[in-house]
Order: sequence, then structure tokens, then C-alpha cells
Amino acid sequence: QKEVEQNSGPLSVPEGAIASLNCTYSDRGSQSFFWYRQYSGKSPELIMFIYSNGDKEDGRFTAQLNKASQYVSLLIRDSQPSDSATYLCALIAPKAAGNKLTFGGGTRVLVKP
Amino acid sequence: GAVVSQHPSRVICKSGTSVKIECRSLDFQATTMFWYRQFPKQSLMLMATSNEGSKATYEQGVEKDKFLINHASLTLSTLTVTSAHPEDSSFYICSARGQGHPFYNSPLHFGNGTRLTVT
Repeated sequence: QKEVEQNSGPLSVPEGAIASLNCTYSDRGSQSFFWYRQYSGKSPELIMFIYSNGDKEDGRFTAQLNKASQYVSLLIRDSQPSDSATYLCALIAPKAAGNKLTFGGGTRVLVKP
Repeated sequence: GAVVSQHPSRVICKSGTSVKIECRSLDFQATTMFWYRQFPKQSLMLMATSNEGSKATYEQGVEKDKFLINHASLTLSTLTVTSAHPEDSSFYICSARGQGHPFYNSPLHFGNGTRLTVT
């Protein structure tokens, strides 16, 4: 089982709709979770981080964390064509050397006008 | 916000030569930097963790003699790809931990990446 799993997609979403991305992880002790967006040919950029169970909202983005079920999700409201990118879920595993991030494979999102 | 600068953004070199990539944290001190490699349509693969003033920690399968990492100051880490071969062609990205509380699990911020092409 991979440490961090994401559906590779593509997730096709009509413009204006909600895009829902899911990420599951295997190590129950993981504490810190991050969502990054990566456009083709570019480096990842941080969207949100979440440490506590529940929801965290920032603009059109909402991260949801459920440690008991070992999943973290990202909702993108009012999706725009500019949101078309690959979204990477990442976490810091317990006792990770240097607190390094472990990344999922990413979910490709396509927002259609 | 935390800014990480990476240079060069693109480099083409001949097989057998060496290439140095620089990564700088511009507005914070980065005691730890990370180097990633990304092949087309794949996720980021961590190559090594670079600690200021000490030897880098390499991930399994990454040749430390081929990918030389130096982290001489709190704001600069370099990756040198020695005796480059076409299979080393990839997108190399550095990252550093931004300022946050608690610092140890604050988000990573990435440089813009270096696209290396070895001919």
C-alpha cells in the first residue's frame, strides 16, 4: 500500500461546479497535511495546509481532514478553467527524517468552460 | 511569504559534463532544503535532504557521488549533476521549509525548477 494515494484522474469538472479531490494515507500517525497545485512544466505551489480534524477554508478552497478515517480532501468551489492543473496531496509521516514531505501521485483536474 | 529562488531555469548540456543548480531562500533562513526530481507525467521523487553545514541525506537508489549536494549557508544549497547522461534529463526542483509555527512541520515552498536536458 502506498503511503499517500490519490486518484490520478483526470477529474473533469464543468466551470462553476465544485471539484472534489480525495487523498488517503496509510500511516495513522501522520500529523501534517498539505495540498499543492502544479501546472504543467511548473513547480508545485502551496494551496493549503491542515493539521487538525475538520474543515479549513481559504477563499474558494476547503481542506477537510479526518484522521480516524485517514483521508484528507480538497474542495474547489466555483471551479475556473485556470484551476486546471495537477493537485498533489502531501504529508509529513511520523518520524520522517528532516520532516520531509511524502507526496501522492497527484490528481489531474480539467475544468471545462 | 517564503520565496525560494532556483537557477538556472533551463539548461542543456552535453553527455559527460557536469551541471550545477543553485537554490536560494530569499527571505528566510532554511536549515533544511530538499531536492526533488520529476519525470514527465510522474509525481515528485525526493532525491536528498540537505542540511546546512552537514552532509546531505540521500534517498534509497540515489547515487550520492553522481548528485553532489552542498548546503554551505542557511540560504544556499547546490545540486551538481556530475558526468551527466541523457537519462538524467529531468525536472529538478528544490524546496525549503518556510517560516511557520511550529517550524518543524510548516509547509515547503518550492523553487521554480530546473529543466535539464542532456544531449
